[in-house]
Parts: sequence; C-alpha cells; structure tokens
Amino acid sequence: IAGITQAPTSQILAAGRRMTLRCTQDMRHNAMYWYRQDLGLGLRLIHYSNTAGTTGKGEVPDGYSVSRANTDDFPLTLASAVPSQTSVYFCASSDRDGSTDTQYFGPGTRLTVL
Amino acid sequence: GQNIDQPTEMTATEGAIVQINCTYQTSGFNGLFWYQQHAGEAPTFLSYNVLDGLEEKGRFSSFLSRSKGYSYLLLKELQMKDSASYLCAVMDSNYQLIWGAGTKLIIKP
Repeated sequence: IAGITQAPTSQILAAGRRMTLRCTQDMRHNAMYWYRQDLGLGLRLIHYSNTAGTTGKGEVPDGYSVSRANTDDFPLTLASAVPSQTSVYFCASSDRDGSTDTQYFGPGTRLTVL
Repeated sequence: GQNIDQPTEMTATEGAIVQINCTYQTSGFNGLFWYQQHAGEAPTFLSYNVLDGLEEKGRFSSFLSRSKGYSYLLLKELQMKDSASYLCAVMDSNYQLIWGAGTKLIIKP
C-alpha cells in the first residue's frame, strides 16, 4: 500500500441499504477525513478524526457515521442510503503535527443510490 | 458565513500564462491551499501559503494577501496536461478546510 486506498471504486446501491466505504492509509497520519464532492459544489466535510479513538462532525454529517479504531483505518457507513447521498466520496489524511497540515486524498468512491 | 469564491471556468492557450483568482471570507485563517484535480481523479496538493507574498514552485506560483482575503494561482508555459480543475481551500480557526467549488481550466492548442 502506498498512500491512501479506498474501496470500493464504485458502487450502485438500492435506497434503504446499508453501505460501508473503506479507507486505509499507510502514512501514519494522525488525522483523517471524509468528504463528498458534488457537481458545482466544493468538497464538503462529512466527518473527521484528529487522532485514533476520536471523531467529529463536519459540515454535512447527517445520514453518515464513522469510527476510528486505529491509526490506519477510517470507514464511513451509510446506515440507510438515500438518493441524495449519490456522490463521489473522498477520504483524506494529514499530519496534524506537521508544519502545514496538508491533506492527501485517496482515489475516491463513486456511489450511486437508486 | 464562510465563503470561497473562484471563477467557474477559464480558457487559455498552450504555452501561455493564466492566473486563477480566489477570494475568501472565513472565520479565522490558518493557511490557504491550492489543489489540482483532473477529471475523475482525486485532488492533488499544489501549494500552501500562510504569509503574504509569492511562493514559486516551477511553472506554478501562488500569491496571498491576507488583508484583502485574496490569492491567485499563476500557471506559466501552459501544457495540455494542465487541463484540470483547480481548487482553492482555506484552513479556518478550527483547522478545518473550507473549499471553493473549483475553477475548470481548459487549455487549447
């Protein structure tokens, strides 16, 4: 593994189903983030984690949950998917103790909810 | 509220210079980032400014004026591979990134 990986690459999901998007990083970054990106809008923060064992809500947290059991993994769960959750989801990580706190992104998951 | 403004789309010619502007209003300021995003791909980090002035990195330069809430990304000697969206983001007082919607740059031969 080099950097951040996400799985699946894409998914078509029926409304009402539960779905977990996976994110793993091997850079030993303390902070991790989940964003969604919709056409014409900037990246919007869903949830974040400043360090293993802690999580926080971003701008658009409703309908999503996260956990951070260890440094490397930060899964995002949609408990009961709705069509408005159709989007591209990016996971990112950063070194909060670094000089710039630059965020590095995974390749994304394209999710379609029907 | 917090707001990042940048043009939706710009067109430039291969070999030329283009300047992409970004203005911001945020609660606090802990740095401004520029990212490049090719269609269907993830954003990749280009530059970071926290002090006023110009930061040069090869063909790309980024400028910041904190008093004016303004930044620009300058791309020189444009190449076809520079066709992408360019995202401006500001780190606010809570150390969260606030993102602009991005500027789609189209390079014509």
